[in-house]
Amino acid sequence: GAVVSQHPSRVICKSGTSVKIECRSLDFQATTMFWYRQFPKQSLMLMATSNEGSKATYEQGVEKDKFLINHASLTLSTLTVTSAHPEDSSFYICSAGGQGRHEQFFGPGTRLTVL
Amino acid sequence: GIQVEQSPPDLILQEGANSTLRCNFSDSVNNLQWFHQNPWGQLINLFYIPSGTKQNGRLSATTVATERYSLLYISSSQTTDSGVYFCAVPWTGTASKLTFGTGTRLQVTL
Repeated sequence: GAVVSQHPSRVICKSGTSVKIECRSLDFQATTMFWYRQFPKQSLMLMATSNEGSKATYEQGVEKDKFLINHASLTLSTLTVTSAHPEDSSFYICSAGGQGRHEQFFGPGTRLTVL
Repeated sequence: GIQVEQSPPDLILQEGANSTLRCNFSDSVNNLQWFHQNPWGQLINLFYIPSGTKQNGRLSATTVATERYSLLYISSSQTTDSGVYFCAVPWTGTASKLTFGTGTRLQVTL
């Protein structure tokens, strides 16, 4: 299967600061990457879809000015949580697909804690 | 949008036991994936199974698309099978966005 990495795996920040999370596809070119959020003991919820070289599309209820997504290359997408607040604390997971792949492959996730 | 329900929500097994997890979905789909989320949060691809039956070691999966359900079989369970099992299907009208099921939390004990 394909390998997707995420960095950092865990981050603790103060309220009001911004945090950047990187998602990389290591062994294939990902034309599309997805960002999910997962709260404790809940399922994954899609936040946004990121296509290489174009603007991300956000799902209903997700603030695009708060969650900035950049997909500058076929192997890297970044999610920046701007002016983070405690309610943004969650587990953020990226996935990658594309190049004719119907499956999505997931990164290991980033646990964000905002104090 | 499409609704995806999984059952049972929680399951406790003794090591060596077999189990069947179910995934029901509310609309026609052209693909379905099963994942295992381990205790550290990593999602591991188990099966990509739009229809039919596939087997991989102690795991097998069957999707009956016409009846809108999929089953995941775990045989001779091991403690390393513990975690949450999710099925996921594409959003109606798309091939890529996934809707995740409600999950089955499995605990395998010695």
